[in-house]
Amino acid sequence: EAGVTQSPTHLIKTRGQQATLRCSPISGHTSVYWYQQALGLGLQFLLWYDEGEERNRGNFPPRFSGRQFPNYSSELNVNALELEDSALYLCASSQGQGVNTDTQYFGPGTRLTVL
Amino acid sequence: KQEVTQIPAALSVPEGENLVLNCSFTDSAIYNLQWFRQDPGKGLTSLLLIQSSQREQTSGRLNASLDKSSGRSTLYIAASQPGDSATYLCAVAFGNEKLTFGTGTRLTIIP
Repeated sequence: EAGVTQSPTHLIKTRGQQATLRCSPISGHTSVYWYQQALGLGLQFLLWYDEGEERNRGNFPPRFSGRQFPNYSSELNVNALELEDSALYLCASSQGQGVNTDTQYFGPGTRLTVL
Repeated sequence: KQEVTQIPAALSVPEGENLVLNCSFTDSAIYNLQWFRQDPGKGLTSLLLIQSSQREQTSGRLNASLDKSSGRSTLYIAASQPGDSATYLCAVAFGNEKLTFGTGTRLTIIP
Protein backbone atom coordinates (compact mmCIF):
# COMPACT_ATOMS: atom_id res chain seq x y z
CA GLU A 1 0.00 0.00 0.00
CA ALA A 2 1.39 3.36 -1.01
CA GLY A 3 1.96 5.86 1.77
CA VAL A 4 1.28 9.57 1.86
CA THR A 5 3.14 11.32 -0.94
CA GLN A 6 4.14 14.95 -1.19
CA SER A 7 5.54 17.05 -4.01
CA PRO A 8 7.85 18.68 -4.63
CA THR A 9 10.54 17.41 -2.27
CA HIS A 10 12.28 20.77 -2.27
CA LEU A 11 11.04 24.19 -3.30
CA ILE A 12 13.04 27.39 -3.48
CA LYS A 13 11.24 30.70 -3.79
CA THR A 14 12.01 34.35 -3.25
CA ARG A 15 10.28 36.69 -0.85
CA GLY A 16 6.90 37.83 -2.11
CA GLN A 17 6.32 34.87 -4.42
CA GLN A 18 3.68 32.18 -4.04
CA ALA A 19 4.32 28.52 -3.24
CA THR A 20 2.08 25.53 -3.93
CA LEU A 21 2.65 22.26 -2.14
CA ARG A 22 0.80 19.04 -2.93
CA CYS A 23 -0.21 15.99 -0.94
CA SER A 24 -1.79 12.66 -1.85
CA PRO A 25 -3.24 10.71 1.07
CA ILE A 26 -3.26 6.99 1.58
CA SER A 27 -5.97 5.31 -0.46
CA GLY A 28 -9.20 5.26 1.51
CA HIS A 29 -8.24 8.17 3.78
CA THR A 30 -10.51 11.18 3.60
CA SER A 31 -8.77 13.50 6.08
CA VAL A 32 -5.64 15.50 5.25
CA TYR A 33 -3.69 17.59 7.74
CA TRP A 34 -0.94 20.12 7.09
CA TYR A 35 1.80 20.98 9.59
CA GLN A 36 4.74 23.38 9.54
CA GLN A 37 8.05 22.47 11.14
CA ALA A 38 10.32 25.47 11.21
CA LEU A 39 13.94 25.11 12.27
CA GLY A 40 14.20 24.95 16.03
CA LEU A 41 10.43 24.85 16.49
CA GLY A 42 8.03 21.99 16.97
CA LEU A 43 5.40 20.94 14.52
CA GLN A 44 2.67 23.54 14.27
CA PHE A 45 -0.78 22.60 13.00
CA LEU A 46 -1.81 24.51 9.88
CA LEU A 47 -4.97 23.08 8.33
CA TRP A 48 -7.30 20.09 8.39
CA TYR A 49 -9.42 19.05 5.42
CA ASP A 50 -12.00 16.30 5.36
CA GLU A 51 -14.42 15.39 2.58
CA GLY A 52 -13.43 18.51 0.69
CA GLU A 53 -14.15 20.90 3.55
CA GLU A 54 -11.79 22.90 5.75
CA ARG A 55 -12.52 21.60 9.27
CA ASN A 56 -9.98 23.45 11.35
CA ARG A 57 -7.24 26.00 11.00
CA GLY A 58 -4.20 26.72 13.12
CA ASN A 59 -2.89 30.11 14.19
CA PHE A 60 -1.49 31.17 10.82
CA PRO A 61 -2.23 34.25 8.69
CA PRO A 62 -4.75 34.06 5.80
CA ARG A 63 -1.97 33.94 3.22
CA PHE A 64 -1.72 30.27 4.18
CA SER A 65 -4.60 28.53 2.43
CA GLY A 66 -5.43 25.28 0.79
CA ARG A 67 -8.03 23.01 -0.63
CA GLN A 68 -8.95 19.38 -0.92
CA PHE A 69 -9.97 17.84 -4.21
CA PRO A 70 -12.67 15.22 -4.88
CA ASN A 71 -9.99 12.50 -4.92
CA TYR A 72 -8.98 13.68 -1.40
CA SER A 73 -5.59 15.00 -2.48
CA SER A 74 -4.77 18.43 -1.17
CA GLU A 75 -2.89 21.59 -1.97
CA LEU A 76 -1.32 24.08 0.40
CA ASN A 77 -0.80 27.56 -0.97
CA VAL A 78 1.38 30.16 0.68
CA ASN A 79 1.07 33.66 -0.75
CA ALA A 80 3.40 36.64 -0.31
CA LEU A 81 6.20 34.45 1.00
CA GLU A 82 8.27 35.70 3.90
CA LEU A 83 11.69 34.53 5.03
CA GLU A 84 10.21 32.93 8.14
CA ASP A 85 8.03 30.68 5.99
CA SER A 86 11.13 28.59 5.34
CA ALA A 87 10.33 25.24 6.90
CA LEU A 88 9.55 21.59 6.36
CA TYR A 89 5.85 21.24 5.51
CA LEU A 90 4.38 17.91 6.44
CA CYS A 91 1.13 16.42 5.26
CA ALA A 92 -0.66 13.64 7.10
CA SER A 93 -3.75 11.59 6.36
CA SER A 94 -6.17 9.52 8.39
CA GLN A 95 -9.24 7.43 7.77
CA GLY A 96 -11.82 9.08 9.91
CA GLN A 97 -12.98 12.50 10.83
CA GLY A 98 -10.57 13.93 13.29
CA VAL A 99 -7.74 12.70 15.44
CA ASN A 100 -9.78 11.22 18.28
CA THR A 101 -9.43 7.62 17.17
CA ASP A 102 -7.22 7.35 14.12
CA THR A 103 -3.49 7.35 13.67
CA GLN A 104 -2.16 10.02 11.37
CA TYR A 105 0.22 8.82 8.68
CA PHE A 106 2.77 11.37 7.58
CA GLY A 107 4.38 12.04 4.23
CA PRO A 108 8.10 12.78 3.76
CA GLY A 109 7.51 16.52 3.62
CA THR A 110 8.32 19.42 1.32
CA ARG A 111 11.29 21.58 2.27
CA LEU A 112 10.44 25.18 1.39
CA THR A 113 13.27 27.69 1.31
CA VAL A 114 12.48 31.38 0.93
CA LEU A 115 15.38 33.57 -0.17
CA LYS B 1 -3.25 26.83 27.09
CA GLN B 2 -2.85 23.22 26.02
CA GLU B 3 0.82 22.37 25.77
CA VAL B 4 3.04 19.33 25.39
CA THR B 5 6.54 19.27 26.85
CA GLN B 6 9.35 16.81 26.31
CA ILE B 7 12.41 16.69 28.52
CA PRO B 8 15.30 16.27 27.92
CA ALA B 9 15.74 17.86 24.51
CA ALA B 10 18.62 15.50 23.78
CA LEU B 11 19.80 12.18 25.21
CA SER B 12 22.81 9.97 24.48
CA VAL B 13 23.05 6.40 25.76
CA PRO B 14 25.34 3.44 25.04
CA GLU B 15 24.03 0.68 22.81
CA GLY B 16 22.18 -2.06 24.66
CA GLU B 17 20.84 0.10 27.47
CA ASN B 18 17.18 0.48 28.29
CA LEU B 19 15.92 4.06 28.27
CA VAL B 20 12.87 6.16 29.00
CA LEU B 21 11.64 9.26 27.19
CA ASN B 22 9.25 11.59 28.92
CA CYS B 23 6.26 13.61 27.78
CA SER B 24 4.02 15.85 29.87
CA PHE B 25 0.84 17.65 28.91
CA THR B 26 -1.21 20.35 30.55
CA ASP B 27 -4.80 19.12 30.19
CA SER B 28 -5.90 15.68 31.35
CA ALA B 29 -8.99 15.70 29.08
CA ILE B 30 -7.35 14.13 26.09
CA TYR B 31 -8.59 11.85 23.32
CA ASN B 32 -5.32 10.06 22.74
CA LEU B 33 -1.55 10.38 22.77
CA GLN B 34 0.85 9.26 20.07
CA TRP B 35 4.58 8.73 19.91
CA PHE B 36 6.33 9.38 16.60
CA ARG B 37 9.84 8.97 15.34
CA GLN B 38 11.45 11.47 12.96
CA ASP B 39 14.72 10.87 11.15
CA PRO B 40 16.70 13.97 10.10
CA GLY B 41 14.92 15.94 7.39
CA LYS B 42 12.26 13.29 7.02
CA GLY B 43 8.60 12.81 7.82
CA LEU B 44 7.17 11.18 10.91
CA THR B 45 6.65 7.49 11.58
CA SER B 46 3.93 6.56 14.05
CA LEU B 47 5.23 4.27 16.78
CA LEU B 48 2.40 3.87 19.26
CA LEU B 49 -1.07 5.31 19.79
CA ILE B 50 -2.64 5.22 23.26
CA GLN B 51 -6.33 6.00 23.56
CA SER B 52 -7.45 7.94 26.63
CA SER B 53 -9.05 4.79 28.09
CA GLN B 54 -5.81 2.82 27.87
CA ARG B 55 -2.85 2.74 30.24
CA GLU B 56 -0.18 1.41 27.90
CA GLN B 57 0.66 0.06 24.47
CA THR B 58 3.49 -2.19 23.37
CA SER B 59 5.16 -2.82 20.05
CA GLY B 60 8.30 -4.92 19.96
CA ARG B 61 10.95 -3.25 22.09
CA LEU B 62 8.78 -0.19 22.64
CA ASN B 63 6.32 0.36 25.46
CA ALA B 64 4.35 3.54 25.99
CA SER B 65 2.43 4.35 29.13
CA LEU B 66 -0.20 6.98 29.81
CA ASP B 67 -1.17 8.56 33.13
CA LYS B 68 -3.84 11.16 32.42
CA SER B 69 -4.27 12.22 36.02
CA SER B 70 -0.66 13.35 36.24
CA GLY B 71 -0.51 14.50 32.62
CA ARG B 72 2.40 12.23 31.73
CA SER B 73 3.44 9.62 29.23
CA THR B 74 6.65 7.65 28.94
CA LEU B 75 8.17 5.78 26.02
CA TYR B 76 10.36 2.89 27.13
CA ILE B 77 12.88 1.50 24.66
CA ALA B 78 14.46 -1.79 25.59
CA ALA B 79 17.90 -2.95 24.49
CA SER B 80 18.64 0.17 22.46
CA GLN B 81 20.30 -0.12 19.05
CA PRO B 82 22.13 2.45 16.87
CA GLY B 83 19.15 2.35 14.49
CA ASP B 84 17.00 3.80 17.25
CA SER B 85 18.85 7.11 16.90
CA ALA B 86 16.26 9.69 15.85
CA THR B 87 14.08 12.43 17.26
CA TYR B 88 11.09 11.13 19.20
CA LEU B 89 7.97 13.26 19.25
CA CYS B 90 5.01 13.05 21.56
CA ALA B 91 1.67 14.34 20.25
CA VAL B 92 -1.60 14.81 22.11
CA ALA B 93 -5.14 15.05 20.74
CA PHE B 94 -6.70 17.52 23.19
CA GLY B 95 -9.65 17.86 20.81
CA ASN B 96 -10.76 16.16 17.67
CA GLU B 97 -9.34 18.68 15.27
CA LYS B 98 -5.57 18.41 15.51
CA LEU B 99 -2.53 17.00 17.25
CA THR B 100 -0.41 19.18 19.52
CA PHE B 101 3.23 18.18 19.38
CA GLY B 102 6.06 18.46 21.85
CA THR B 103 9.41 19.73 20.61
CA GLY B 104 10.90 16.27 20.77
CA THR B 105 13.84 14.42 22.31
CA ARG B 106 16.82 13.84 20.05
CA LEU B 107 18.12 10.38 20.92
CA THR B 108 21.62 9.19 20.05
CA ILE B 109 22.62 5.58 20.65
CA ILE B 110 26.38 5.23 20.97
CA PRO B 111 27.76 2.00 19.43
